[in-house]
This record gives sequence, C-alpha cells and structure tokens, in this order.
Amino acid sequence: GENVEQHPSTLSVQEGDSAVIKCTYSDSASNYFPWYKQELGKRPQLIIDIRSNVGEKKDQRIAVTLNKTAKHFSLHITETQPEDSAVYFCAASSGDYKLSFGAGTTVTVRA
Amino acid sequence: SQTIHQWPATLVQPVGSPLSLECTVEGTSNPNLYWYRQAAGRGLQLLFYSVGIGQISSEVPQNLSASRPQDRQFILSSKKLLLSDSGFYLCAWSVQRVEKLFFGSGTQLSVL
Repeated sequence: GENVEQHPSTLSVQEGDSAVIKCTYSDSASNYFPWYKQELGKRPQLIIDIRSNVGEKKDQRIAVTLNKTAKHFSLHITETQPEDSAVYFCAASSGDYKLSFGAGTTVTVRA
Repeated sequence: SQTIHQWPATLVQPVGSPLSLECTVEGTSNPNLYWYRQAAGRGLQLLFYSVGIGQISSEVPQNLSASRPQDRQFILSSKKLLLSDSGFYLCAWSVQRVEKLFFGSGTQLSVL
C-alpha cells in the first residue's frame, strides 16, 4: 500500500517568515495530494490539494508543489501569521477511496 | 448545507467493554463515509470506508467493525475493547471518492 512520510515533525518559525513542509510517497500510481490543517482540539480541514497533472498550485499565502519523478510534494506557507499555528497533514491517493496520511507537522508561529 | 454529526465527544471505557460510535451526515445523499483513527503524535489511519448502504470495506484487521444501516449513518463498533483501541476517532464524508473529505468533530476514546 501507499506509504507517506512527512518532515519535519515540528517546525517553529518567526511570524512573517516562510514555512515549508515536505512529504514523500511510495506508490507511483498516486495522483491526488491534499493537505489538511488541524488546529488544537478541532477537526482536520482541507486547505489545498493538487493533482498529478499539475506541478504547482497557489491559494493566497499557501502553495503546494509536486515532483512526480522524485515522488515528493511540499507545502509552502508565506508570511506566516499566528493563526497558521496548527498540525498540518499531507496525504496521497491513487484515486480510489483510500487516502494515506503523513504523520503530521506541528507548526508554531512565534510572535 | 452539509453537516456531519459525531458523538460522543469523549468516552472512557474499561478493557473488554463494548463500543458504539455513531456518525450521521445531513444535507447530502449517498455520501462516501469513512472512519479514521488518530493516535497521539501520529497521522490519520483509515479503518473503514463505505460507498453505500450495507457496503463496508475494512482496511485494518482488528477487533473493530463498522456498519451502515442507513444512507447517512455510519457506526463503529467493538464487542470487546483493548487498551490499544484508545485514540481519537474521526468520521468523515465525501462526494467524490477521497477528494475533499469533511471530518466530524471526533471522539476521544480512552480504554482503561
């Protein structure tokens, strides 16, 4: 089955700086890569997703890049703000009903 | 709009006791339904998913089971809980396979 590895497990950044989270996947058939954000005590929520036919996608301060050859994808958050503090999960799917999640990255934005 | 309800929010159960967690979705028909478990400091592990009434796919062999008695109702059960069943259980739904999963608020289960 699909195995998704996520790094780093924790990330502390100064407010206004950028944050980058990286994930690798094992199944070359995976073609859908979402990112979820889970604030403390709350449910995970989808923040951005990308398909394998696209190399990059942006939504305001958030961007995701995908390298199919290397089988890795990354989340970039620019101009970080305190409300960006949360646990971020990457995931991968080959288009069926199974979504494999990474272990999560705890992002702390220091004021 | 669509909403998902999951209960209870917290549950403390002794080892060997039964379990029943319920999840219902409103505002949509024939959703795909999922049960995930989140262990402390770890990612989300898919336990079961269902694409229709009575249709259950199991991803992890264990002492848990799932049922879908109605279109928008998904139940997670166990006859005898183990210590290792402790965790945060999340119900989720989607319209198109795994795209855009919407999660419930979760149940924190502690087995003592």
